Amino acid sequence: DAKTTQPTSMDCAEGRAANLPCNHSTISGNEYVYWYRQIHSQGPQYIIHGLKNNETNEMASLIITEDRKSSTLILPHATLRDTAVYYCIVTFGNEKLTFGTGTRLTIIP
Amino acid sequence: SQTIHQWPATLVQPVGSPLSLECTVEGTSNPNLYWYRQAAGRGLQLLFYSVGIGQISSEVPQNLSASRPQDRQFILSSKKLLLSDSGFYLCAWSVLEGYSYNEQFFGPGTRLTVL
Repeated sequence: DAKTTQPTSMDCAEGRAANLPCNHSTISGNEYVYWYRQIHSQGPQYIIHGLKNNETNEMASLIITEDRKSSTLILPHATLRDTAVYYCIVTFGNEKLTFGTGTRLTIIP
Repeated sequence: SQTIHQWPATLVQPVGSPLSLECTVEGTSNPNLYWYRQAAGRGLQLLFYSVGIGQISSEVPQNLSASRPQDRQFILSSKKLLLSDSGFYLCAWSVLEGYSYNEQFFGPGTRLTVL
């Protein structure tokens, strides 16, 4: 059973913020939300993860709702190189990652 | 710094032939190692993972096998390839001991076509 639900695809204009949603209504108290992305023909790349609080790093921000049933990955100023498939994964901190089909984000010039 | 190598980068094999894909990690000790497969247009599927030398866990029953003869070497094998084995094979590593989160680092992948 899938633990997360993501839109199949999204478009975003270059230079704008890309907001990628993820639903994880069955998340348990100790499960983290991870985001990875996969650029075409490459291996996935870790972006960010969080448990309860919002997180920010040099790549992105992660906003987790107070009930933890959904989250949003924000790429603040999308560039063409951000075109990729983005995976939202829910898992305990030291367990295996299960990748779904993700969201295919296309950045439009 | 840590690096992960996979070879070959591409491979075309006939149905029924054997397979051996190799993955090596440098710059870290006692990593957890993973083999994933991505069929065309689909998500990543975890095939095997290993927490140490000789310790292999299989996620999906199939005609593939994995071995870890050395701490930083992970090998994916098959005795007889099927058409359905075609795909993009990715090796990954992570270090969990002492860490509270699971960041996996992926290799460049091997694109296998079985004809």
